[in-house]
Amino acid sequence: QKEVEQDPGPLSVPEGAIVSLNCTYSNSAFQYFMWYRQYSRKGPELLMYTYSSGNKEDGRFTAQVDKSSKYISLFIRDSQPSDSATYLCAMSANTNAGKSTFGDGTTLTVKP
Amino acid sequence: KAGVTQTPRYLIKTRGQQVTLSCSPISGHRSVSWYQQTPGQGLQFLFEYFSETQRNKGNFPGRFSGRQFSNSRSEMNVSTLELGDSALYLCASSTGQGSSPLHFGNGTRLTVT
Repeated sequence: QKEVEQDPGPLSVPEGAIVSLNCTYSNSAFQYFMWYRQYSRKGPELLMYTYSSGNKEDGRFTAQVDKSSKYISLFIRDSQPSDSATYLCAMSANTNAGKSTFGDGTTLTVKP
Repeated sequence: KAGVTQTPRYLIKTRGQQVTLSCSPISGHRSVSWYQQTPGQGLQFLFEYFSETQRNKGNFPGRFSGRQFSNSRSEMNVSTLELGDSALYLCASSTGQGSSPLHFGNGTRLTVT
């Protein structure tokens, strides 16, 4: 069983929709949580990171962490075609995230 | 600030050969991590270097090795290449202290024939 499980998708939504991307984890040592976006033939791009339970907002993106349920989510409001990419969750037992465990990614397509 | 730079972008090697990949981190970042990305296994951690010392290591065979120089630049070496080593190799840098998420380069695409 993988330490990090990510909803596999793929996900297809109309432009303007609210998107919910989710990961669960089994390792209670994880305390640092990150979300990345990866476009084709590019490296992952950091979107958000947090180490506390609750919500963190940045523009159209909201990261939510529930440590008691070992569940994290990324919400994208007013989704745009440019948001079409693969989204990866990542977790680390330390705030120094050098050694992180990644989900397998969810591919999102936003249709105009 | 310049991002993480990886060279070369693409490599084609023959089984049995060895290869060296290079990574220049973001200026001021002292930690460099390497990851292997494949369609079947996703992103898997190889190792992390901080101030020229290996700080963490993943579950890869000894054919995979790395090093970090005093300017924080890092190299990764794979010896005796196997077909299964074909992957996107990603380098990521961070400050290595405090709250320090990873910042990735665009990777080196290695194909082993």
